Amino acid sequence: QVQLQESGPGLVKPSGTLSLTCAVSGVSISSANWWSWVRQPPGKGLEWIGEIYHSGSTKYNPSLKSRATMSVDKSRNRFSLTLTSVTAADTAVYYCATVSGGGYYYYMDVWGKGTTVTVSS
Amino acid sequence: DIQMTQSPSSLSASVGDRVTITCRASQNINSYLNWYQQKPGKAPKLLIYALSSLQSGVPSRFSGSGSGTDFTLTITNLQPEDFATYYCQQSYMYTFGQGTRLEIK
Repeated sequence: QVQLQESGPGLVKPSGTLSLTCAVSGVSISSANWWSWVRQPPGKGLEWIGEIYHSGSTKYNPSLKSRATMSVDKSRNRFSLTLTSVTAADTAVYYCATVSGGGYYYYMDVWGKGTTVTVSS
Repeated sequence: DIQMTQSPSSLSASVGDRVTITCRASQNINSYLNWYQQKPGKAPKLLIYALSSLQSGVPSRFSGSGSGTDFTLTITNLQPEDFATYYCQQSYMYTFGQGTRLEIK
């Protein structure tokens, strides 16, 4: 059974860098899945941040304007998100998720419980 | 960018009702459409993928339909555990709709 667990600092200063990790259990991160990050500001909807394949291939939401970077650590079976130049608008619950499917029929079928990140001085 | 617009934004219904939530894409996305359910303080849960395929373990009272730009999530015989927020998502670049909050009448 695939399980995901997010971790990282709950508080980040404005203009600083947000760094989160998603630990994967129950499946190898080198399996045929993409690995994704989604966030949800307080009281608002869901926003896709980006995804990464075990090969290191990435796709990002253009709205983040190159502030996001994702990486994979195969030895620890986990993947990470870094978001630079954060502002209060980046305050959100951050979720990691597996992306399954193929041929554009992709879907996020397993989610972590989420971790809250607040951007404040 | 493909925009996803859901309607209504909120909806009140009673146990046993049949409800329909609509999702409209700003351009043709064929059947690359997923639906998620989210309860307060919880992660989203996949209900339906690829327009109409029911995720394992999801009750058959949930169904999805549509094509191109107009899509529908239908829930028949509403149960107490169905009151939640629902999101559609297109799977080209994973844009989500703004959500539809389903409340108890």
